[in-house]
Amino acid sequence: QKEVEQDPGPLSVPEGAIVSLNCTYSNSAFQYFMWYRQYSRKGPELLMYTYSSGNKEDGRFTAQVDKSSKYISLFIRDSQPSDSATYLCAMSAYGNQFYFGTGTSLTVIP
Amino acid sequence: GAGVSQTPSNKVTEKGKYVELRCDPISGHTALYWYRQSLGQGPEFLIYFQGTGAADDSGLPNDRFFAVRPEGSVSTLKIQRTERGDSAMYLCASSLTSRGRTDTQYFGPGTRLTVL
Repeated sequence: QKEVEQDPGPLSVPEGAIVSLNCTYSNSAFQYFMWYRQYSRKGPELLMYTYSSGNKEDGRFTAQVDKSSKYISLFIRDSQPSDSATYLCAMSAYGNQFYFGTGTSLTVIP
Repeated sequence: GAGVSQTPSNKVTEKGKYVELRCDPISGHTALYWYRQSLGQGPEFLIYFQGTGAADDSGLPNDRFFAVRPEGSVSTLKIQRTERGDSAMYLCASSLTSRGRTDTQYFGPGTRLTVL
């Protein structure tokens, strides 16, 4: 079993839709959770960073962590065509070795 | 002010050859990470440096892979006797991390390695 599971998609939504991206994990020691956005042939770009459980909001993006269920989510409100990219979740127990999901490919259709 | 840079951006080599991939982290970042990303997959951890020393090299797949960071800044990932299965995007990231706590990792654009 992989440390982090993420539905690869692809996910296609109309412009303005609310997008929900999710990851599950197996290691209960994980306490640092991140979401990255990666455009084709580019390095990942950090979107959201959360420590432990709870919600964090930044503009159109909301990250949620439920440690009891070992489940994290990223919500994108009012999605835009420029949001089209691959979204990677990542997590760590002690802040050194990070485990990534496989990424979910998102296309926002104008 | 520049971000993480990696050179070359693309590298094509033949099976059995030796390659070096370079990473320039953000100035002042003490932690440096190497990842490998295959098509359709997330980045896979290879090695982590804190300063000049490799604090965790548990992700290196075998002894053909080696990385150095002699002065605590620039790092070089070295691959000997390359195999076709080594073809991937090699990503470098850096962070301000000091021992015992985490910090956000900033990624470079990657080096795409193709082994023919």
